[in-house]
Amino acid sequence: GAGVSQSPSNKVTEKGKDVELRCDPISGHTALYWYRQSLGQGLEFLIYFQGNSAPDKSGLPSDRFSAERTGGSVSTLTIQRTQQEDSAVYLCASSNEGRGLSPQHFGDGTRLSIL
Amino acid sequence: GESVGLHLPTLSVQEGDNSIINCAYSNSASDYFIWYKQESGKGPQFIIDIRSNMDKRQGQRVTVLLNKTVKHLSLQIAATQPGDSAVYFCAENFDSWGKLQFGAGTQVVVTP
Repeated sequence: GAGVSQSPSNKVTEKGKDVELRCDPISGHTALYWYRQSLGQGLEFLIYFQGNSAPDKSGLPSDRFSAERTGGSVSTLTIQRTQQEDSAVYLCASSNEGRGLSPQHFGDGTRLSIL
Repeated sequence: GESVGLHLPTLSVQEGDNSIINCAYSNSASDYFIWYKQESGKGPQFIIDIRSNMDKRQGQRVTVLLNKTVKHLSLQIAATQPGDSAVYFCAENFDSWGKLQFGAGTQVVVTP
C-alpha cells in the first residue's frame, strides 16, 4: 500500500505479558517515529529512527519499552511486562527526511488494551 | 516546559460556514508547524504545514496563518462540510530531528 501500515490494529493482552507492535513505513521514507496517544489526548513522542543513525529514545517512558528498525524499513515496538497504564493507541509515522521540515504521515495505529 | 496548546477544546460550526481553529505555541525556536485532522479510529491525517519563514499558506479550502510575534497558529477551513467533523491537532517541530510536539486537540462538530 501507499501509506504507513501498522499491525495488529487491535491487541488485547493480560497484564505482565509482552507485546510487539509492527510498523511498515512508506517506501523510501528514511525517518520513522513512534507516538502514543491515550484516550482523548494528544500524541506523545516515544522514539525516532533516521537512516542508520542511532535512534532517539528520549521519549520512551520506561525500560520496558524498546524498538528496533531492521534494514532501514520495518520497525517493531516491544513492550515487556505490560501494565494497565500502557493501554493506549500506538501510532507510527514516517517522513521522507528527518530534519523536521517535511510532514510526518501516520498509520492508523494499534489500539492496545491491557486487562 | 514549553508546549503547544489549543484555546478551544470544542468548536461547533454550521455547515457552509467558515471554521477557525486556534493554537498557541511557546517554543520560539520552533521552525515548522503542521495541522492534522484525526477521525475516530484513524491516525492523524496531514492537512497543511507552514515553515517559520512564512506567515500564510493556502491549500484546498484550508489556510494556515502563523503569527510569530504572538506565537499563534490558526487553521481556517472554508465552507465547512460534515466530513470536516474531526479532532484537529496543531504540532510544532521543536528540534532539528523532526520530533513533533502536539497540542491536546480541538473537536470540530459540523451541524446541518
